[in-house]
Amino acid sequence: DTGVSQNPRHKITKRGQNVTFRCDPISEHNRLYWYRQTLGQGPEFLTYFQNEAQLEKSRLLSDRFSAERPKGSFSTLEIQRTEQGDSAMYLCASSFAQGGYEQYFGPGTRLTVT
Amino acid sequence: AQRVTQPEKLLSVFKGAPVELKCNYSYSGSPELFWYVQYSRQRLQLLLRHISRESIKGFTADLNKGETSFHLKKPFAQEEDSAMYYCALSAASNTGKLIFGQGTTLQVKP
Repeated sequence: DTGVSQNPRHKITKRGQNVTFRCDPISEHNRLYWYRQTLGQGPEFLTYFQNEAQLEKSRLLSDRFSAERPKGSFSTLEIQRTEQGDSAMYLCASSFAQGGYEQYFGPGTRLTVT
Repeated sequence: AQRVTQPEKLLSVFKGAPVELKCNYSYSGSPELFWYVQYSRQRLQLLLRHISRESIKGFTADLNKGETSFHLKKPFAQEEDSAMYYCALSAASNTGKLIFGQGTTLQVKP
């Protein structure tokens, strides 16, 4: 296990297209988080899962965004009808299910919407 | 509202000089505070957390609840400390979600 992985690393899409990103967490971790980071800003929380249950979603997560974590392993984040404002780095992190445990981050998926 | 503020976008110091990266937070409860670091072309990683009270790579940070601050300090900066530093807060709601500041780029000049 080499840590949290994310695919693809880069995605360029045209406005209006749908995109899907995948995150594979560290296998023992039962929590998985998605964050979005725009240029010059820190990561912003989007949503998180404990096992397969999605327990919290940010107001940033509009109805065009959906995330899943079937079977409590990998997770996907889908953006429908992409807009230029969706261009950002999408980060995934995983941790144990106790507050204060370290979150391990993936390398991110950089989305560019043209 | 929960908020983390890092007032400096860029901090530039010479090697061997002391470093202090500022972080202020807004939270009504008892937060957990963290410093994350991102070196060039690497992923974001935890540097230290306030509950550990440990020194990592010579860095320390003390939680000051009166001033709602969690400044990161190092007495003698090294060139390899050059990186982006993010202060983050986790609310005591057991979700573990992190609220990040905008980040400070530390540049250590030779």
